[in-house]
Amino acid sequence: DAGITQSPRYKITETGRQVTLMCHQTWSHSYMFWYRQDLGHGLRLIYYSAAADITDKGEVPDGYVVSRSKTENFPLTLESATRSQTSVYFCASSGRTENTEAFFGQGTRLTVV
Amino acid sequence: DAKTTQPPSMDCAEGRAANLPCNHSTISGNEYVYWYRQIHSQGPQYIIHGLKNNETNEMASLIITEDRKSSTLILPHATLRDTAVYYCIVRVIQGAQKLVFGQGTRLTINP
Repeated sequence: DAGITQSPRYKITETGRQVTLMCHQTWSHSYMFWYRQDLGHGLRLIYYSAAADITDKGEVPDGYVVSRSKTENFPLTLESATRSQTSVYFCASSGRTENTEAFFGQGTRLTVV
Repeated sequence: DAKTTQPPSMDCAEGRAANLPCNHSTISGNEYVYWYRQIHSQGPQYIIHGLKNNETNEMASLIITEDRKSSTLILPHATLRDTAVYYCIVRVIQGAQKLVFGQGTRLTINP
């Protein structure tokens, strides 16, 4: 199916565990983004990627790792999950120019216990 | 990065036009203004964007002032389904094109 999909939709993990959130897009968009949204707050940019093998930090990168070996995938890894990383995570993708819209996934609700 | 300022909340009666303001006084000449909205806990949805001319699509109209320091999103006939958080964003193009959200405006459409 065309679009942008995130998996899993819901995840409960324990403190200290490593967890990876997946994001896949079918448009061959150059840009991909990861955001977190805490309850009652706006979206904060964690990491973004301009192309395969090119990633950069956003506003709140600490505790997260990303990779982009293929254009269509942009996984987000929490190396050692903490309770403060309990949040809803959104992935997005967009074309190369500033004149293109971004498309968002449906989100992954992560709970760290 | 150019920053945006929006009122935290607004109310509008159903059927009336909803006018959402945004201040972006530090915008650069070749940066676009984007509007997104987020309904409940869904992923943000694109509404409209513009550079310096006014824009209109099936969802909304975007009015950008001549000096480009502010803009207004207009929902011409608001419905209850337009209740959402609306984000005004300036798409940065210096270096990598980050897409940074502010706090947005929580718009409530009242019956």
